[in-house]
Amino acid sequence: AQKVTQAQTEISVVEKEDVTLDCVYETRDTTYYLFWYKQPPSGELVFLIRRNSFDEQNEISGRYSWNFQKSTSSFNFTITASQVVDSAVYFCALSEAGKNTGFQKLVFGTGTRLLVSP
Amino acid sequence: NAGVTQTPKFRVLKTGQSMTLLCAQDMNHEYMYWYRQDPGMGLRLIHYSVGEGTTAKGEVPDGYNVSRLKKQNFLLGLESAAPSQTSVYFCASSGGETTYEQYFGPGTRLTVT
Repeated sequence: AQKVTQAQTEISVVEKEDVTLDCVYETRDTTYYLFWYKQPPSGELVFLIRRNSFDEQNEISGRYSWNFQKSTSSFNFTITASQVVDSAVYFCALSEAGKNTGFQKLVFGTGTRLLVSP
Repeated sequence: NAGVTQTPKFRVLKTGQSMTLLCAQDMNHEYMYWYRQDPGMGLRLIHYSVGEGTTAKGEVPDGYNVSRLKKQNFLLGLESAAPSQTSVYFCASSGGETTYEQYFGPGTRLTVT
């Protein structure tokens, strides 16, 4: 069975600090997708990134970066120079790769609440 | 485009009452999903649909029924609500040109007393 573990329940940092959110996954599939979603206090879910299991290159998008390591089954998310607006719950998710790439049966982790104070 | 919309946004039910949550998407997506979010448990898949007229069970389907009579709509029904169904319900859709992203609705907060 697929499983996603986000061991950090809550992290508190001061603005401008760097912070890394951990995500460890379990799957028997050789092909799968990994996702990160952000849920700000307003409650909506915001898609951040999707990676497939064959692409282990790290990705950087502005202050956000992702480190995918198949050897340790981890897909960690780092926010550089955190800002108050980064305060949210962040979810890591895993999806099996079916025949249709648009179909995603997501298994979510329990989320990490990030609090960034001024 | 409105994206994914959910009706209603909030609802309070008494134990044993029934209700239907409506999800609508205007992106012509083939796939639709219903999740529930509970404190400390993340989101869990209730039911999903891979096309008009089809539905399938997810991780936590008991106590819920769904229907997808039209491609753009996905209904979630609670026949006899229980306090354990107090949760925030999210609908999502995926497919089409933006195959890599699952779009979520704003959520419905349901309280069963």
